[in-house]
Amino acid sequence: GAVVSQHPSRVICKSGTSVKIECRSLDFQATTMFWYRQFPKQSLMLMATSNEGSKATYEQGVEKDKFLINHASLTLSTLTVTSAHPEDSSFYICSADGTSDSYEQYFGPGTRLTVT
Amino acid sequence: QKEVEQDPGPLSVPEGAIVSLNCTYSNSAFQYFMWYRQYSRKGPELLMYTYSSGNKEDGRFTAQVDKSSKYISLFIRDSQPSDSATYLCALSGGFQKLVFGTGTRLLVSP
Repeated sequence: GAVVSQHPSRVICKSGTSVKIECRSLDFQATTMFWYRQFPKQSLMLMATSNEGSKATYEQGVEKDKFLINHASLTLSTLTVTSAHPEDSSFYICSADGTSDSYEQYFGPGTRLTVT
Repeated sequence: QKEVEQDPGPLSVPEGAIVSLNCTYSNSAFQYFMWYRQYSRKGPELLMYTYSSGNKEDGRFTAQVDKSSKYISLFIRDSQPSDSATYLCALSGGFQKLVFGTGTRLLVSP
């Protein structure tokens, strides 16, 4: 149980284009989903927290107009990187928290974004 | 100063060795302490979860939390080549937000 999937697993796009990444909780309902970014040999950095049906909360320094997050249902959240640039190339990982009394987050397998 | 400090390694050990992985932190508000394992180009998976100070054991893994020293550890007994991965500590003060260490890369040689 508690499986989180991400699609696509890898994407290459040209500078200036937009890319959408999907995060799905497959066997549970996720009231809260999180989006992280991980650069090579660095830690996971929280970008934003999204709750189903409400606006995402972005961490300091993360541009909300550039990284659009939609959490339209209890099993799906999407991250859209708008007008992507080479510096946005990174490993994007989502996680989901399906329980109200646990601090465990279930992570997806990640999406490798390369902007050329 | 980073909120969570973790030696990036790599830490190389022979098969069967006892491995000690550690993190230090500065924020005394952290109450929840977790260890995640991450294989290359994969998402992290939860190994151990501890609330407040103390020890917790699960098979070959033991997690220790010393809040007075702001120091947490993960011990792996009888290490196996399949344990080779990056181990990340993650801390939370509540409200779901996790703060991760940089991760320690562990290499267990046969």
